[in-house]
Amino acid sequence: QQQVKQSPQSLIVQKGGISIINCAYENTAFDYFPWYQQFPGKGPALLIAIRPDVSEKKEGRFTISFNKSAKQFSLHIMDSQPGDSATYFCAAGWGNQFYFGTGTSLTVIP
Amino acid sequence: EAQVTQNPRYLITVTGKKLTVTCSQNMNHEYMSWYRQDPGLGLRQIYYSMNVEVTDKGDVPEGYKVSRKEKRNFPLILESPSPNQTSLYFCASSLWGGESSPLHFGNGTRLTVT
Repeated sequence: QQQVKQSPQSLIVQKGGISIINCAYENTAFDYFPWYQQFPGKGPALLIAIRPDVSEKKEGRFTISFNKSAKQFSLHIMDSQPGDSATYFCAAGWGNQFYFGTGTSLTVIP
Repeated sequence: EAQVTQNPRYLITVTGKKLTVTCSQNMNHEYMSWYRQDPGLGLRQIYYSMNVEVTDKGDVPEGYKVSRKEKRNFPLILESPSPNQTSLYFCASSLWGGESSPLHFGNGTRLTVT
């Protein structure tokens, strides 16, 4: 049973465009929602994270939107760049236990 | 440099031959965990440890063992590897506390069992 559902599986965006990746969860006990970015041959690295007491968090070109009532959260990448091409994982957890989405492969075309 | 180090990076073995993948972190983190990454399945937790001598099963523990004798090390042991354990493995660590803290991942070990 997938605790966190992520879509789309893959995404192709033109340089300068907006990339949007969506995730949904069921367990209302989750209190931390990080996004990880993974480049080929590397481990996932924390990109940005949000807690459920806020609806949005922005760091540079990356924004998390969080809808607690709908149990959904999304990652928006503004002005997407070829260097953003990577696999993105959403996750949800409490304490140190995390459940990951299945990943989204993002390709930004120059 | 703060990091999680896994060895080896690549490993090819045969069915039934015991192997160990090492993991070490230099951040004095209490929490360590092993994940496997498979296409279309994302990252799934195998085992985790909240401190020395404290370990517990994750979502997919079958066929794996772990130990935590020192705070910095958390090896993953496959006593009798099988082809369905062919995967990309990641070790991760984080601070242990009342509030969730982010995971720091190693660069992975790609295991092939023939």
